[in-house]
Amino acid sequence: QLQLQESGPGLVKPSETLSLTCTVSGDSIRSSSYYWGWIRQPPGKGLEWIGSIYYSGSTFYSPSLKSRVTITVDTSKNQFFLRLTSVTAADTAVYYCARPGPGTVTGWFDSWGQGNLVTVSS
Amino acid sequence: DIQMTQSPSSVSASVGDRVTITCRASQGISSWLAWYQQEPGKAPKLLIYAASTLQSGVPSRFSGSGSGTDFTLTISSLQPEDFATYYCQQANSFPLTFGGGTKVEIK
Repeated sequence: QLQLQESGPGLVKPSETLSLTCTVSGDSIRSSSYYWGWIRQPPGKGLEWIGSIYYSGSTFYSPSLKSRVTITVDTSKNQFFLRLTSVTAADTAVYYCARPGPGTVTGWFDSWGQGNLVTVSS
Repeated sequence: DIQMTQSPSSVSASVGDRVTITCRASQGISSWLAWYQQEPGKAPKLLIYAASTLQSGVPSRFSGSGSGTDFTLTISSLQPEDFATYYCQQANSFPLTFGGGTKVEIK
């Protein structure tokens, strides 16, 4: 059964870098054809797509975050990663990793992690 | 970017009511649209994809329709477990974008 698990610090200081890991079990990032995604949700607000990555390292990013975001993948560990630099309070959110499907390798997401709340505060 | 506009932002309804939520895309997206349900403190759950295809395990009281720019999610007979927030999302092109959400509340 597919499982995605986010991990990383729950508290990050302003101007520092947010780093999260998504560990995938029950599917292989390398052998699948999916663009694995990161999505976030500020408290009490809606969903925002951050970016997506293919096993080869090909990425797509949200234009509003592109200057600060890097998504990478380690297929040997079956993990992919989110790095967001120069964070502010506006980056406080629950961060989800997710896998697309069915019927798409890039689009909607049928499998989600449980979410990782990251608070930006000094 | 394709903007997704959902309406209403909230709706009060009773158990057994029919509820309709609309989503409009700023440009044509064919049938590349999904609907999600999100309960407080939980990850979104995919309900409908390709505008009208019911995800496995989702009750048949949920249905989706539309193509191009205008889409609808209908709950034919609202159940207690359906009180939640619903989001649409376009999957036609990157960047992927979500609607602002519709909160379905108990009347």
